[in-house]
Amino acid sequence: GENVEQHPSTLSVQEGDSAVIKCTYSDSASNYFPWYKQELGKRPQLIIDIRSNVGEKKDQRIAVTLNKTAKHFSLHITETQPEDSAVYFCAAGPNDYKLSFGAGTTVTVRA
Amino acid sequence: NAGVTQTPKFQVLKTGQSMTLQCAQDMNHNSMYWYRQDPGMGLRLIYYSASEGTTDKGEVPNGYNVSRLNKREFSLRLESAAPSQTSVYFCASSATGLGETQYFGPGTRLLVL
Repeated sequence: GENVEQHPSTLSVQEGDSAVIKCTYSDSASNYFPWYKQELGKRPQLIIDIRSNVGEKKDQRIAVTLNKTAKHFSLHITETQPEDSAVYFCAAGPNDYKLSFGAGTTVTVRA
Repeated sequence: NAGVTQTPKFQVLKTGQSMTLQCAQDMNHNSMYWYRQDPGMGLRLIYYSASEGTTDKGEVPNGYNVSRLNKREFSLRLESAAPSQTSVYFCASSATGLGETQYFGPGTRLLVL
């Protein structure tokens, strides 16, 4: 099955700086790569996703890049704000039925 | 729209007891999922239902059973709870299974003593 590794496990950034989270996956059949944000005690919520026919996608301060050859994808958050503090999960899968999630990155934005 | 709802929010069980976690969605989604979330391990798929009338095993199905009662409802049953099943359980749904956004419920926190 798919194996997703996520780094770093914790990330502390100064407000206004950028944050980068990286994930690698093992199954070359994976073609869907979503990112979820989970605030403390809340449910995971999709923030951005990318499919294998696209190399990069942006949504305001958030961007995701995908390198299918190297089997890795990354989340970039620019101009971080206190409300960006949360746990972020990457996931990968051949379709939506069997997503495999990374272990998560706890992001803390220091004021 | 309530989205995805789960009951109960919190439950304490003794080893060997059984219980059913309930999940319902009002978005007319075809696909539904059950995950467990443990510290440092992300979300792991227990079972999923691609469409009404079908269910399939995920990554960690042992000790669980599911029922897709109708298009709206997908329940998860623990027949004989074990301490290793202490976790937070999330139900999710998506319109179809083809790279669509999964919407999560608020979770059920389960403690097995």
